[in-house]
Formats: sequence, structure tokens, C-alpha cells
Amino acid sequence: SAVISQKPSRDICQRGTSLTIQCQVDSQVTMMFWYRQQPGQSLTLIATANQGSEATYESGFVIDKFPISRPNLTFSTLTVSNMSPEDSSIYLCSVEGRHEQYFGPGTRLTVT
Amino acid sequence: GIQVEQSPPDLILQEGANSTLRCNFSDSVNNLQWFHQNPWGQLINLFYIPSGTKQNGRLSATTVATERYSLLYISSSQTTDSGVYFCAAHPKRDALNFGKGTSLLVTP
Repeated sequence: SAVISQKPSRDICQRGTSLTIQCQVDSQVTMMFWYRQQPGQSLTLIATANQGSEATYESGFVIDKFPISRPNLTFSTLTVSNMSPEDSSIYLCSVEGRHEQYFGPGTRLTVT
Repeated sequence: GIQVEQSPPDLILQEGANSTLRCNFSDSVNNLQWFHQNPWGQLINLFYIPSGTKQNGRLSATTVATERYSLLYISSSQTTDSGVYFCAAHPKRDALNFGKGTSLLVTP
């Protein structure tokens, strides 16, 4: 199994600012995924990040709002830009193991 | 994309009771997983089960791929079983599509 850490674990941010979330994996992985979980809702995929290529965004998510970096096979960042209260969510990164996917502990973001 | 539906949406049990959670999916799957999300938001892997039956302690799961459903069984429930149970699936090795979850509350 993969061990995934995320930083920060939680943050409270002001409207209009940006926050960068880091995801670190203890082994090299090809595909990393970023999900959002709004309060009381299920998880929704934001984008897929492969090392060495541009991230692929799902419908409703754009690069200007959620820029992603994937500089190597163990690390990725997701930035939530120009935040509004609607961005208050848990953001989770995920990686693919041999068969199944593993999730990080999440970053709980509150925008005031 | 693949649709994942879970039932029931909410469930309240007394400690010691058994329960069955259901997950229906709209397409053949290469990956199907069950997760438990604890009150702190952490997603805990329970089962990777695109087909067949698995057991882990008081939990077991069965996926009937030909009929496109999966069941999660919880026996002798404990208060620590409370939380949200998610089923997630994908037809290929790719990001998962999640159901809306079953919110379980186990009372003493």
C-alpha cells in the first residue's frame, strides 16, 4: 500500500486569496488524482496529474482556478486560486497502487 | 461515465446489529472499492473487490459483476463503525467515480 501525506491538514483562508496544497507519496507512482469533497457531499474528481504532462481536468474545473504541478513521481501540488466561500471543502489526493487506489488524509479548507 | 448508486442513504443501528449496504453500478468495472470515511474525513480502504467475495473480520463484501452490484456486510456493529461508507468504481484503471455514500450511525 502507499503512504500519502498532505500539507496543510487544515486551513482557514480569506476570500480572494490562494492556497497551495501539497501531496507526498512514499513511492513512485504514475498517476495522481485530486478530488474535492464539499460539505455533506461525495467526492468529485478535479483532475488527473501525470508526471511530465499537463494535468487533465474534469468538466467544471479549470486550470486557472485549480493549477496543478507534478514535478516528479512522488509529489504534486494543487492550488485553489482566488478563493470564495464555495471553495470550502476537503481536498484529497489519491494514487493508484497495484490494483486499488489510496487516499491521503485530506486538507480541510474553510474560506471566510 | 459510470454511474454508482448506493442504498440506503442513511442507516441507524443499535450496537450488535448486522447490516447490508448496497452499491449498483451502470457499467462493467475494472476497479470497485469500498471505503469508510471516519469523522475526521479520512478515507479508509475496506475492500478492493471488482468481483467475488472477501472478508476482513466483521466486514465482508460481495460483488456480482454480471449483475452490476456489490454488497458490504457489517456484522455485530460497534459504535466505531459509524461514519460514511462509500462505494467507488471505474471501468478502467483510472480515477474512481464515487456513489453518494451511506451514512451509518451505530448507537450504544
